[in-house]
Amino acid sequence: EDQVTQSPEALRLQEGESSSLNCSYTVSGLRGLFWYRQDPGKGPEFLFTLYSAGEEKEKERLKATLTKKESFLHITAPKPEDSATYLCAVQAPDYKLSFGAGTTVTVRA
Amino acid sequence: DTEVTQTPKHLVMGMTNKKSLKCEQHMGHRAMYWYKQKAKKPPELMFVYSYEKLSINESVPSRFSPECPNSSLLNLHLHALQPEDSALYLCASSQDRDSANTGELFFGEGSRLTVL
Repeated sequence: EDQVTQSPEALRLQEGESSSLNCSYTVSGLRGLFWYRQDPGKGPEFLFTLYSAGEEKEKERLKATLTKKESFLHITAPKPEDSATYLCAVQAPDYKLSFGAGTTVTVRA
Repeated sequence: DTEVTQTPKHLVMGMTNKKSLKCEQHMGHRAMYWYKQKAKKPPELMFVYSYEKLSINESVPSRFSPECPNSSLLNLHLHALQPEDSALYLCASSQDRDSANTGELFFGEGSRLTVL
């Protein structure tokens, strides 16, 4: 069975303090790995798609990378508005998505 | 227009009530999804419609009944729910179901359901 594990569960950062979130996965024949951001009480918002090991994507203060077993979401010099839960999801050969439990990031001013 | 609109935002219902959740998208997407999300948990897939036909039912109890009247609309009919069905119900869409970008889902803001 496909598994997605995110760590840490929660991350508290000072504004400007860079850090990384981890998403490790076991899936045979990964089709894609997706990162989402979710604000409290709202639906997830799509951020990135990564397809192959070595691939990197960037958006503002966020950078996502992918290896054969895990993905990292790096947050550089975070601001309070980056506070959210970050979800990763992996897509299996049958196109089904499996979501991780998420990492809740809190950035204090 | 890159929005998925869900109504109502909040719904409180008794166990004997019948209600419906509605979802609309105008992005020309051909796949639409219902997810259920409990607090501090990831979204769980319930149903997938592809080209207006039900393609996946993740063994969801029959008290949840999906309907796709056309390519832009998705409904979830609720009947005889249990208190444990209280959750955030999310609608999402994607360009289609069987392609590499299927994981790029556009979610609505959700309908917060409370069953008394």
